[in-house]
Amino acid sequence: NAGVTQTPKFRILKIGQSMTLQCAQDMNHNYMYWYRQDPGMGLKLIYYSVGAGITDKGEVPNGYNVSRSTTEDFPLRLELAAPSQTSVYFCATAQGTYNSPLHFGNGTRLTVT
Amino acid sequence: GQQVMQIPQYQHVQEGEDFTTYCNSSTTLSNIQWYKQRPGGHPVFLIQLVKSGEVKKQKRLTFQFGEAKKNSSLHITATQTTDVGTYFCAGFIGGATNKLIFGTGTLLAVQP
Repeated sequence: NAGVTQTPKFRILKIGQSMTLQCAQDMNHNYMYWYRQDPGMGLKLIYYSVGAGITDKGEVPNGYNVSRSTTEDFPLRLELAAPSQTSVYFCATAQGTYNSPLHFGNGTRLTVT
Repeated sequence: GQQVMQIPQYQHVQEGEDFTTYCNSSTTLSNIQWYKQRPGGHPVFLIQLVKSGEVKKQKRLTFQFGEAKKNSSLHITATQTTDVGTYFCAGFIGGATNKLIFGTGTLLAVQP
């Protein structure tokens, strides 16, 4: 089992460019999350999903979009990259039962210049 | 603003010393989870506390959940160099059972 797979591992974007961060899981977990972690800081919730076709905003959703067409995939879209979006992005999943812990991917390190 | 705060932000200890990080929420939490993130790594789940006043132990780590379910602590006895990393608490805010908000984290450095 691969668990939670994030691609790419690293990416450099120019201001105004777009990209999609991929997150795939093979654990059949219902809940999926996107967090960002700025250098030396904590994790901020961007978007989350409790199942296919259902998404909701987290703490810092502006500048991002998500979709959840399947249980396995939860891509995060940046439409117009800005330097403030330079961060490490973590995708996480949870089984969906009450109080279930999160399982994190290895992260995508994004730099916007 | 930040709803879940942790103190201290950073702690440097000599190997063998004890360490405590405190987690405080502005609202009542349905539960509290603790994660550890090694430098350059991703957060890894340590434990979950659900009941008011609950105390759980994992070897040298002791976790407590406050009576009002608005604060928690993690205490490490006799730190080792393998304890190095950032410790995060996380809680479900506002009665939600799926929106997990992380605390600000405490970075622990252990000098051999």
